[in-house]
Amino acid sequence: NAGVTQTPKFQVLKTGQSMTLQCAQDMNHEYMSWYRQDPGMGLRLIHYSVGAGITDQGEVPNGYNVSRSTTEDFPLRLLSAAPSQTSVYFCASSLTPNPRETQYFGPGTRLLVL
Amino acid sequence: AQSVTQPDIHITVSEGASLELRCNYSYGATPYLFWYVQSPGQGLQLLLKYFSGDTLVQGIKGFEAEFKRSQSSFNLRKPSVHWSDAAEYFCAVGIEGFKTIFGAGTRLFVKA
Repeated sequence: NAGVTQTPKFQVLKTGQSMTLQCAQDMNHEYMSWYRQDPGMGLRLIHYSVGAGITDQGEVPNGYNVSRSTTEDFPLRLLSAAPSQTSVYFCASSLTPNPRETQYFGPGTRLLVL
Repeated sequence: AQSVTQPDIHITVSEGASLELRCNYSYGATPYLFWYVQSPGQGLQLLLKYFSGDTLVQGIKGFEAEFKRSQSSFNLRKPSVHWSDAAEYFCAVGIEGFKTIFGAGTRLFVKA
């Protein structure tokens, strides 16, 4: 098992550009989520999905879109990048949406918006 | 509102010394509590978790944590720290609505 994979590892964008952060898992997990990690703020939930075709907003969803057409993939789209979106982005998955479940994290994508 | 507080931004301990990382949560229902560790440049890895039952839980790498409902705390401990334990540690609580709330993290430095 590769677990949770994320691409790219690093990205530099200019303000106003759009891009998609890719996330995939090969564990047949129902639940997938995106977090951003900023210094002193821990991880904050952007969007999550409890299954293919079902997504919902987390704590900080503005400026981001998601879709879940397959169980394996959960891409995060930045519509028009802003410097405030400079962050490290983590994708995570768990077997079910139950809050007891352990989440498995990808290695992260480091994004710089100029 | 639900929240997780880790009062210590960073802690420095000597190798071989004991460690305690503090975590307090605010949540009205029974909490599902987690400790994750993040090594530099890596994603998070689960150390241990608590749902119910024995309030002292054992995790990987020799870590343990104790749930104290009266203090709304879930502190992480290790009796003897190794240099490889240097990392950032996150306390988290799983709540209804398929969400997890993370604390801001505590960075552990280990000195020789």
